[in-house]
Amino acid sequence: DAGITQSPRHKVTETGTPVTLRCHQTENHRYMYWYRQDPGHGLRLIHYSYGVKDTDKGEVSDGYSVSRSKTEDFLLTLESATSSQTSVYFCAISESGTEGAGYTFGSGTRLTVV
Amino acid sequence: GENVEQHPSTLSVQEGDSAVIKCTYSDSASNYFPWYKQELGKRPQLIIDIRSNVGEKKDQRIAVTLNKTAKHFSLHITETQPEDSAVYFCAEAFGNEKLTFGTGTRLTIIP
Repeated sequence: DAGITQSPRHKVTETGTPVTLRCHQTENHRYMYWYRQDPGHGLRLIHYSYGVKDTDKGEVSDGYSVSRSKTEDFLLTLESATSSQTSVYFCAISESGTEGAGYTFGSGTRLTVV
Repeated sequence: GENVEQHPSTLSVQEGDSAVIKCTYSDSASNYFPWYKQELGKRPQLIIDIRSNVGEKKDQRIAVTLNKTAKHFSLHITETQPEDSAVYFCAEAFGNEKLTFGTGTRLTIIP
């Protein structure tokens, strides 16, 4: 496969609960990203990582946190889920940022907050 | 990169005709411009990309053109086929880190 897996693939959660999405890669790529996809907005960057314990915010980071304790895993946490965070979440990896061969995306996680 | 606008949001073309999708960007320092294709229920996949030192790039039926002066770039698909139906995203970046995506174009090929 693409060397990147996301879990879970689908999740329904209640407003106010914490949620953690996992992205796991077997490519040993340095860069990892979390995007959310919503109709009319395309893909918007939430957070990204350029190495273990090195992360930075994207354009829609409010209400989200991330952690990267190992090269292969990048976790996205919704601290207290809200209905506005209902979305499809994509993880992506890149060997050398945009100087490489571009991003490889995971299959996505469809999150519904009720 | 900061902002990228993509047009049209929907496009229908007859099978065999050409399709053109355009994007404009605001950051004159942007130097990397990829295009992604996303089929229904699937992940986005890179189909072609271009860097700022090149004006045009082709790969079989797909081509991308870049006009740095006007800050716009376009995806051209010739001899369209039913399997070209998908959502297409342009993106741009400055430097080596994160991509900023357009809002997407839903392309429908009419048999």
